[in-house]
Amino acid sequence: EPEVTQTPSHQVTQMGQEVILRCVPISNHLYFYWYRQILGQKVEFLVSFYNNEISEKSEIFDDQFSVERPDGSNFTLKIRSTKLEDSAMYFCASSEQDTPPLHFGNGTRLTVT
Amino acid sequence: DQQVKQNSPSLSVQEGRISILNCDYTNSMFDYFLWYKKYPAEGPTFLISISSIKDKNEDGRFTVFLNKSAKHLSLHIVPSQPGDSAVYFCGTGGTSYGKLTFGQGTILTVHP
Repeated sequence: EPEVTQTPSHQVTQMGQEVILRCVPISNHLYFYWYRQILGQKVEFLVSFYNNEISEKSEIFDDQFSVERPDGSNFTLKIRSTKLEDSAMYFCASSEQDTPPLHFGNGTRLTVT
Repeated sequence: DQQVKQNSPSLSVQEGRISILNCDYTNSMFDYFLWYKKYPAEGPTFLISISSIKDKNEDGRFTVFLNKSAKHLSLHIVPSQPGDSAVYFCGTGGTSYGKLTFGQGTILTVHP
């Protein structure tokens, strides 16, 4: 069964550094998403992306965050200057249409020290 | 953000019995609802969904019930199996289908 893949599985970075999280969505999917889960908290929506532009973003997704689909297969989340509170599990998801369900990857655990 | 609440952090059930997981929401604009299952070190896996025009949807051992007047949904698993042991999240959405609001999850443990 096709799946969403995310790399790396764990990323450790120093506060203030830039980090790029990578995702390969399911190949025929057109809608892409990033969610995150801070330890002990809910899974939270960050951003949705379609047709090479952001469809919707949450208040968490401030100017430090950006997303890009640099080629036909990858979907990336960049955090320009990481803060301690950015430490979380980041999940990429995709869907074929703008309807549920979303298919999630296994996540990247980001640790900011 | 208390728009979606799963009031039971954990549930323990004997194999073969019914597991009932509950979820409450506050926003009457939500018009579709989903359940996801999550194992450690994996992403959420879609289980079953229901739209606001229905009150029940069934898929094998999994049934989701929606009570719109009470703003409550539940997931029934019958019969429960040890492999069902995982964290279960309810998710809700409105006009933006990909923007899901999740509950905090319920840890289900099914004992052999």
